[in-house]
Amino acid sequence: NAGVMQNPRHLVRRRGQEARLRCSPMKGHSHVYWYRQLPEEGLKFMVYLQKENIIDESGMPKERFSAEFPKEGPSILRIQQVVRGDSAAYFCASSRPTYNEQFFGPGTRLTVL
Amino acid sequence: QQQVKQSPQSLIVQKGGISIINCAYENTAFDYFPWYQQFPGKGPALLIAIRPDVSEKKEGRFTISFNKSAKQFSLHIMDSQPGDSATYFCAASRVTSGSRLTFGEGTQLTVNP
Repeated sequence: NAGVMQNPRHLVRRRGQEARLRCSPMKGHSHVYWYRQLPEEGLKFMVYLQKENIIDESGMPKERFSAEFPKEGPSILRIQQVVRGDSAAYFCASSRPTYNEQFFGPGTRLTVL
Repeated sequence: QQQVKQSPQSLIVQKGGISIINCAYENTAFDYFPWYQQFPGKGPALLIAIRPDVSEKKEGRFTISFNKSAKQFSLHIMDSQPGDSATYFCAASRVTSGSRLTFGEGTQLTVNP
C-alpha cells in the first residue's frame, strides 16, 4: 500500500538550469497538489491538478514554473532557469475525489548553486 | 482573510507533560482543520483532523479542541514523549476535495527526557 512517491529526493542544479520534480499519487487518488516549503517557513500552496487538467494554479509563480498531470505517468513540476531563491523543499500531496484528506510525499529538496 | 496564525513558534516540554499548540483562522468558509507532524527531512504526516460540527476530537494521546465562535483550534498532546519532538503544522481548508490547505507557520516541539 504505497504512499505518495516523489523523485528525486534531492536535486542539485546550477543557476539557469531546469529542474523536473515527479510525483506519483497514492492508489485511488486522482487529485494532486504541489506545495513549497522555504527554509524555516511553512508550506505554501502552488498548484492543484487532476488528470490532464490544471484546476488551480493561483499559488504558482507566473514565470518559469509549470505543472502537468498527464493521463499516464506521474505529475511533473517543472522549474525553468532556476535561481537561488528556488532552493526549497517541494512536496506533493494527493487526495481522493470525495474528501480533502491530503497525504504528502517525502518531498524533493532542490538546491540551486 | 486566508491566513492561519499559529503559536507558539517553539515549545519545550518535559516528558510526560502536556504540549499545547494554538491556531486561529480568519476565513469562515473553512470547514476542515487538520494537523500535520513533520520530522526533519521528511514530508508532513497527517495526524488528526476536525470538522466544525464538533468541539473536540481525540485520537490516542492527541486531542483537537475547536472553538467556532472564536475561530480558534488547538492541538493537545498528552503524556508527551521524546519521540513526539517534531514540527507541528495546523492547516485549514474546505472539506471538499480540491481545496488548498492553508498552513500555519509551524511549531517546533522539543520533549526533554
